[in-house]
Amino acid sequence: EIVMTQSPATLSVSPGERVTLSCRASQSVSSKLAWYQQKPGQAPRLLIFGASTRASGIPARFSGSGSGTEFTLTISSLQSEDFAVYYCQQYNNWPPITFGQGTRLEIK
Amino acid sequence: EVQLVESGGGLVQPGGSLRLSCTASAFTFTSYDMHWVRQAAGKGLEWVAAIGTAGDTYYSGSVKGRFSISRENAKISLYLQMNSLRADDTAVYFCARKDYADAFDLWGQGTMVTVSS
Repeated sequence: EIVMTQSPATLSVSPGERVTLSCRASQSVSSKLAWYQQKPGQAPRLLIFGASTRASGIPARFSGSGSGTEFTLTISSLQSEDFAVYYCQQYNNWPPITFGQGTRLEIK
Repeated sequence: EVQLVESGGGLVQPGGSLRLSCTASAFTFTSYDMHWVRQAAGKGLEWVAAIGTAGDTYYSGSVKGRFSISRENAKISLYLQMNSLRADDTAVYFCARKDYADAFDLWGQGTMVTVSS
């Protein structure tokens, strides 16, 4: 099973700041990596697939990069609606599909 | 509107059974692999099971042998039969569509399953 590790667990940031979230895989997942955003009481929302491709309707301030075992999600200028929990997911080697434990973005 | 709607959650005693349903709308259900993902309160996302367009099935180790995923294309529905339920199966269960790029591009709103005596 591929273990996905996200860091940090929580990030306190101010609106307008640039933020980078990290995700590491225990073995290579090639570019089969997705990022999801989840707000309280809601289902996850796909942001990025293929490590770097924005999903339909996702603002350009969200960008993903990386391949192999190291990945990042960058939000160029945080908006109030971006405060949420972010999960990475690998789908290169499954079952099982595995998620990171999440990074919570909170308002500083 | 393109959507997935889950139903069937509820309170069940340990050792009991429950069947979850997920009904699709406004897309070609038969063209997509479908998955179940769960989330315990305050915890992260955990993949549970998947079914391909040809009916091939896959399970996480924690539910294999207890849960069964199926689909009924004529009813545009996905199911999760859960048997021998345990307290640690308590979670919100989401159904999700896997898109052409293999990510989960469409999710239902979730249905709550509570296993408790």
